[in-house]
Amino acid sequence: QKEVEQDPGPLSVPEGAIVSLNCTYSNSAFQYFMWYRQYSRKGPELLMYTYSSGNKEDGRFTAQVDKSSKYISLFIRDSQPSDSATYLCAMSGYLSGGYNKLIFGAGTRLAVHP
Amino acid sequence: DAEITQSPRHKITETGRQVTLACHQTWNHNNMFWYRQDLGHGLRLIHYSYGVQDTNKGEVSDGYSVSRSNTEDLPLTLESAASSQTSVYFCASSEKQGSYNEQFFGPGTRLTVL
Repeated sequence: QKEVEQDPGPLSVPEGAIVSLNCTYSNSAFQYFMWYRQYSRKGPELLMYTYSSGNKEDGRFTAQVDKSSKYISLFIRDSQPSDSATYLCAMSGYLSGGYNKLIFGAGTRLAVHP
Repeated sequence: DAEITQSPRHKITETGRQVTLACHQTWNHNNMFWYRQDLGHGLRLIHYSYGVQDTNKGEVSDGYSVSRSNTEDLPLTLESAASSQTSVYFCASSEKQGSYNEQFFGPGTRLTVL
């Protein structure tokens, strides 16, 4: 079993839809939870990160962490065709190998069609 | 502007050959990382370095080596390329240890081993 599980999709939604992307994990030592966005044939770029449990909002994006359920989510409101990309969750923690050793999910491919 | 570059962007080689992938960053970051990305596996850590002369093995280090002689560069060497090493390789860097730091990724190198 992988430490971080993420449904690879693909996920196809109409423009304007609310998108929910999720990851589950097994290691309770994870403290930082990240979402990276990766456009086709590009390197990943950090979208948001959250420390411990709770919510974080940035424009149309909201990241949620539920440590009791070992479950994290990324919500995209009013999705746009420019949001079409692969979204990777990543996690790290001091006791899981160090803050800088990121464990990635497989990535979910999202397509937003006009 | 500071950046992280990788070369070559595409490489085709034959089984058994030695291959070196270059990674160069101009942020003066202490930490540098090499990942490989394969369908269904997300990004997996190959090797990483927290400073000059420091190198460490990651999750999938067999068949790969790195050396860090200066702050800016972390070349990745495949000692004897195998077909299982066909993948997309990403280099990343972050500022320091001790706490979470955003990792900045390069554009990737697509390697095919025939």
